[in-house]
Amino acid sequence: DADVTQTPRNRITKTGKRIMLECSQTKGHDRMYWYRQDPGLGLQLIYYSFDVKDINKGEISDGYSVSRQAQAKFSLSLESAIPNQTALYFCATSEGRDYGYTFGSGTRLTVV
Amino acid sequence: KNEVEQSPQNLTAQEGEFITINCSYSVGISALHWLQQHPGGGIVSLFMLSSGKKKHGRLIATINIQEKHSSLHITASHPRDSAVYICAVSPNFGNEKLTFGTGTRLTIIP
Repeated sequence: DADVTQTPRNRITKTGKRIMLECSQTKGHDRMYWYRQDPGLGLQLIYYSFDVKDINKGEISDGYSVSRQAQAKFSLSLESAIPNQTALYFCATSEGRDYGYTFGSGTRLTVV
Repeated sequence: KNEVEQSPQNLTAQEGEFITINCSYSVGISALHWLQQHPGGGIVSLFMLSSGKKKHGRLIATINIQEKHSSLHITASHPRDSAVYICAVSPNFGNEKLTFGTGTRLTIIP
């Protein structure tokens, strides 16, 4: 199994629908992150969590919410999806500032 | 101006050529990361470095902290090296958020 698993891998949803993207990890890392990637742009941070009780907004959190259900699980929700949320979404984990990052395989989300 | 700039944006080379991708940044950092993103979309961490040079197989990463510049080199390039290479920095202030470059798309032609 992959160290960081994202589900679903691909999703097409309609405008206004609620959707949840899930991330689970077997690395045992406390730090987990959700990023969004758009063509021609660098990855942008949506939300991050340093432990189960610590949730922080990133650069582009509007329209998104997260839940850290356990050390290993970090979910991203779009309460009411809109077309400009069409993007590739990545979950990542890390042990901290001076350590590397492990990324999931990504979720390609299309909002129509 | 972006805090992390990569060049070139696109690079096409023949198999076997020596490849150099550059990354310049404008903030103080605790570490710089090189990542690889294959056409399927997944991102793999190649290197994390805060000084000097690291080597893994045919890949070499160097960093010059004073000049705020890093390079990723690929020796004896192969078509399977075709991917997007992304530079990201961990600022040495504030919280631990990575700042990413927009990537260099590398295509190696057989």
